[in-house]
Amino acid sequence: GESVGLHLPTLSVQEGDNSIINCAYSNSASDYFIWYKQESGKGPQFIIDIRSNMDKRQGQRVTVLLNKTVKHLSLQIAATQPGDSAVYFCAENKGPSSYKLIFGSGTRLLVRP
Amino acid sequence: DGGITQSPKYLFRKEGQNVTLSCEQNLNHDAMYWYRQDPGQGLRLIYYSQIVNDFQKGDIAEGYSVSREKKESFPLTVTSAQKNPTAFYLCASSIGSDYTGELFFGEGSRLTVL
Repeated sequence: GESVGLHLPTLSVQEGDNSIINCAYSNSASDYFIWYKQESGKGPQFIIDIRSNMDKRQGQRVTVLLNKTVKHLSLQIAATQPGDSAVYFCAENKGPSSYKLIFGSGTRLLVRP
Repeated sequence: DGGITQSPKYLFRKEGQNVTLSCEQNLNHDAMYWYRQDPGQGLRLIYYSQIVNDFQKGDIAEGYSVSREKKESFPLTVTSAQKNPTAFYLCASSIGSDYTGELFFGEGSRLTVL
């Protein structure tokens, strides 16, 4: 069946270090992937996205990598800050006409001072 | 500021009661969505609407109902038929016809059944 999952439920990093959050997906037909950040008690916020014709995309302090061979998606956060502490979700969308996102269960990122 | 407003933020309900969660957006988005979030789980789609006066069931529509009479409003009713309604409910919107995946979420409504 279709699913989007995460390898690690909780990730603890030292402030200033880089963080890597991983996500596995199972639907090879998905052509669009998104990362969201959700702070406690709030709604998810869009971080970055990537299409299946790309391997890498960079934003401000964040990079998303897509490995279609092994159906793996990762979010890298450079110089992690206390404000980065949140739950991070990956999601896949089957294309520009699809109104359905499949969300993973999330990874909690804890930043140690 | 443009965005999505959900209300109430917290809601308590007795078993057997229907409750309606409000969602309003001023982003001029065509598409709106309702998701349910349970602890330690991802978001699950309840209903979505691509355009006014039209909506479709998501993955877990049983026990819920919606309406889309206005572009900016997409209220969700949690009926007494929903067997386990205690959850965090999130409303979202997107541009719509040129959907790229970016959803704009509200702050959520936490429903607790007593």
